[in-house]
Amino acid sequence: GENVEQHPSTLSVQEGDSAVIKCTYSDSASNYFPWYKQELGKGPQLIIDIRSNVGEKKDQRIAVTLNKTAKHFSLHITETQPEDSAVYFCAPPRGFNDYKLSFGAGTTVTVRA
Amino acid sequence: GAGVSQSPRYKVAKRGQDVALRCDPISGHVSLFWYQQALGQGPEFLTYFQNEAQLDKSGLPSDRFFAERPEGSVSTLKIQRTQQEDSAVYLCASSSREGSNEQFFGPGTRLTVL
Repeated sequence: GENVEQHPSTLSVQEGDSAVIKCTYSDSASNYFPWYKQELGKGPQLIIDIRSNVGEKKDQRIAVTLNKTAKHFSLHITETQPEDSAVYFCAPPRGFNDYKLSFGAGTTVTVRA
Repeated sequence: GAGVSQSPRYKVAKRGQDVALRCDPISGHVSLFWYQQALGQGPEFLTYFQNEAQLDKSGLPSDRFFAERPEGSVSTLKIQRTQQEDSAVYLCASSSREGSNEQFFGPGTRLTVL
């Protein structure tokens, strides 16, 4: 998407370890920061999101942290399991309350059993 | 109820043929979006409907692409005179609120143009 960068592009972790993916965006007006998980042959699934008035949000083994000053947000997956293997996308909208999601290029996560 | 559904799941077309891709959003969702996902890339926005009104078609790549949602529910994306560069997965998403960025995606239709 426009001015959205994800790092790393691929990530291989041992089962039980943690995984972190970082997303950098350019539009300072962005106020919504979602992460999607896409498994092979399926559509993207919204797994966690955060609004700009919150710095961190956690849902069981996944969490998202936001640094608005530096314009980046990160996905954290703890105690990884084989079913976490997928492509993960950040998709901040193009502006304030914009509905047009701007997807990153994706991070392929492989969890080794 | 059920999530977003799309049909067909796979479509093979010969170059120059017209195709029609269907999307059934989550019941009651007012907003509907179409995205195009090329192989190995993230989805790219195509168009947005609020009920039956197409409010944004800025992402449609050419005038061969046409989308409609006549009754504010089911939507169809039509591609005329398909070209090889149209080969991609076409994703539909819906949202319960107007212009919402919290979007729920269907499984997509994989279009292959030979």
